Amino acid sequence: GDSVTQMEGPVTLSEEAFLTINCTYTATGYPSLFWYVQYPGEGLQLLLKATKADDKGSNKGFEATYRKETTSFHLEKGSVQVSDSAVYFCALSVTGGFKTIFGAGTRLFVKA
Amino acid sequence: DAMVIQNPRYQVTQFGKPVTLSCSQTLNHNVMYWYQQKSSQAPKLLFHYYDKDFNNEADTPDNFQSRRPNTSFCFLDIRSPGLGDAAMYLCATTTWGGLADRDTQYFGPGTRLTVL
Repeated sequence: GDSVTQMEGPVTLSEEAFLTINCTYTATGYPSLFWYVQYPGEGLQLLLKATKADDKGSNKGFEATYRKETTSFHLEKGSVQVSDSAVYFCALSVTGGFKTIFGAGTRLFVKA
Repeated sequence: DAMVIQNPRYQVTQFGKPVTLSCSQTLNHNVMYWYQQKSSQAPKLLFHYYDKDFNNEADTPDNFQSRRPNTSFCFLDIRSPGLGDAAMYLCATTTWGGLADRDTQYFGPGTRLTVL
């Protein structure tokens, strides 16, 4: 079945460090790929998405590229801030399906 | 702003005492979801509505029920909460059938349920 695997956390970085959170997927169809972010005590928010191979999603300095050949959608940011501390979920949705498959989440701590 | 609203944000109930959580949306989306989330783990889908069609996940306990009286509102009823039902409950919506923004889920802030 469809699945998402993302790197385990927590990830602890100093402010202005480079961030990578790895995400790989397995899907039978042609999925859309997402990164959602969850700040403490809140619901999930869409951070970025990509709907087809080689698309790059970007938002708030975060980027991820849909790599069909490696079935990956790694999240990157060049310079993290304390305010980026949150849990990040990689997810996929098969086109036309009702369900979103979430990864286990990666908690990010950014120290000042 | 169009949004997904959940009430209450915090709910305390007693073991075995029925509780209802509510969700409303101003996005006019035709699909609404209820998820259970424990300790920042991945959200676990309980069920979803596509318009009035109810779809229950196979592993959702019978203790959990849902109602969607109209497009805007959806309720989660827990008939006899156990200690293991303490969690964050997230409502989400999406639109299906259109082209723009399809498959993106819009989440409410969640209701944190405590069972004493």
